[in-house]
Amino acid sequence: GDSVTQMEGPVTLSEEAFLTINCTYTATGYPSLFWYVQYPGEGLQLLLKATKADDKGSNKGFEATYRKETTSFHLEKGSVQVSDSAVYFCALSGTGANSKLTFGKGITLSVRP
Amino acid sequence: GAVVSQHPSWVICKSGTSVKIECRSLDFQATTMFWYRQFPKQSLMLMATSNEGSKATYEQGVEKDKFLINHASLTLSTLTVTSAHPEDSSFYICSAPQLAGGRSASTDTQYFGPGTRLTVL
Repeated sequence: GDSVTQMEGPVTLSEEAFLTINCTYTATGYPSLFWYVQYPGEGLQLLLKATKADDKGSNKGFEATYRKETTSFHLEKGSVQVSDSAVYFCALSGTGANSKLTFGKGITLSVRP
Repeated sequence: GAVVSQHPSWVICKSGTSVKIECRSLDFQATTMFWYRQFPKQSLMLMATSNEGSKATYEQGVEKDKFLINHASLTLSTLTVTSAHPEDSSFYICSAPQLAGGRSASTDTQYFGPGTRLTVL
């Protein structure tokens, strides 16, 4: 079945540091890929998505590129802020009429001032 | 973006009682809603797919008689945890996809509720 693997956490960075959170997936067909963020005390919010190979999703300075050859969707940000502290989930959605999401375990990011 | 609400945000109940959790799409209609369960420091696990006008579809290993789902309208789905026990204590989250209109379902964006923290004593 479909699966998503995220790097182990937690991750602690200083403000303005470069961020990379790795995500790889296993799926049949051509899934859509997502990054969701969960801020403390809030529900999950869609951060960015990509629906086909080589697509780049971007939002709030975050970027991720759909790499089919390496089955990856790594999240990057050039300069993190304290307000980026949250839990980040990589997810995929099956093709066709099935829009169920399969999530990775999530990783907690803490950014120090 | 679209908004999904959940009620209550937290609930504490005694073992053996039943608890109902509501999930509402506030500004769009959702023929399908999803119910997830999230354990501490773990990912979301899909429990079931709620379908308006028909029976819910449960994931393998989820007891349908214990977790009753009713999709009463195009904006409301309810999850009832029957005869709750301490091991049912968890964070329950719903989501609803907002159709992208003419695009495949896999490109729809899912909007998540803020979650309901259930504690069974």
